[in-house]
This record gives sequence, C-alpha cells and structure tokens, in this order.
Amino acid sequence: DVKVTQSSRYLVKRTGEKVFLECVQDMDHENMFWYRQDPGLGLRLIYFSYDVKMKEKGDIPEGYSVSREKKERFSLILESASTNQTSMYLCASTRRPDRSYEQYFGPGTRLTVT
Amino acid sequence: DAKTTQPPSMDCAEGRAANLPCNHSTISGNEYVYWYRQIHSQGPQYIIHGLKNNETNEMASLIITEDRKSSTLILPHATLRDTAVYYCIVRVAHSGGYQKVTFGIGTKLQVIP
Repeated sequence: DVKVTQSSRYLVKRTGEKVFLECVQDMDHENMFWYRQDPGLGLRLIYFSYDVKMKEKGDIPEGYSVSREKKERFSLILESASTNQTSMYLCASTRRPDRSYEQYFGPGTRLTVT
Repeated sequence: DAKTTQPPSMDCAEGRAANLPCNHSTISGNEYVYWYRQIHSQGPQYIIHGLKNNETNEMASLIITEDRKSSTLILPHATLRDTAVYYCIVRVAHSGGYQKVTFGIGTKLQVIP
C-alpha cells in the first residue's frame, strides 16, 4: 500500500512564526503536491514538485515556499504565518507521467494560526 | 472537463451494498471516471477509476454504462467506516503534465448500523 505521512495531525502556531510541514511518501513517486482545504473552497493547489529540487507554483503559492531535497520528502514552509493560513493542509503523491490523477493523500495537518 | 452530477446524500444499511450514482453526460472519449472519498477530518482517498470497462479492486467496483454517460460506484458490503463524502470526477488520465485534484460537492454516504 502507498503510504503518505505528514509530520503532524494538529499544529498551533502564532502569527509571524515560520512553520514547516513535512510530507514523506514510501512508493518512489516522482510527483508530490501540497494542497490546502477550506470549507466552501474545496481543495486548492499550493505547490507541486515533479522531481528532486524541482518545484512549480500551483494556484495559491503566495505566502508559501517548498523544498524537495530527497525524492520521498516534500516540505511546505510558511515563511511568516498569518491567520488566513489557518487551514487543513494535505500532501499527495503520484507517479509520472501516467496516472497523474491517481493521487495518494496523507492524513492532513490541521494548522491553526493565532 | 466534463461536469458530473451526484446526489447530495445517501443512506445505506451496514452490510448491504452501497450504490453511488454519477451522471457525466458530456464526457469525452478520452476522459476517465475517477472516484475518491474523504472521511471526516482525513485526507482524500483514491478509490478506483475506469474508461469504459467495468473495474473492480479491493475497495469497490465501478460500473460504467455503455454510452459512458453515467456510472455507479459499488461498495459491496458497506461498513460504518465507509461513511464519507464520495466524489466522482471526470478527467483525462494522461495529459503529459501534472493534474491537480479538484472535487465537486460529492455524495455524503451515511452507513447506518
């Protein structure tokens, strides 16, 4: 079974803090994604990576950055957390080039910024 | 992408088959039908996908009509853990690039003891 793990299920941070969210997958997938999910807004893509050290902006990259130093690990960084970044953050992975829509998600990190 | 229509909610008795319908009357020839689900407070879970033939895996079966305008996801023996929102999505499978997952409203399935 594909396993995607995220470093925390719940996280509370203060405004202005730098926040690191970690994601690890164990299926040697090339593609990895970071989404956020908010009520009424559905899933929104923040960043994705199709290879080590490669990254592409998604639909809402502002206020975020990412790092992919190893194939299995994709990190999302909130440079200076703000209250509007309170959300559920979801990591996903998939193979490339086919099956790109067959994505495997982690359990999610519910981040609260106060 | 073709639009999909699903009932907003359904109930199913535990142990019975849950049949979740999806209409996608504008589907194109190269578009696949995908199903995901999301249990409350968890990440989405990929279930199954198909093009025109019926598909079965360890989680579910997918029945696609011959004209491909509708499909049904079948959970053969629903358990309480199958209570979730189920999303039917129609997308091209091999676009050559990345594809972000997007969900519509979905069907909230409640499995009743």
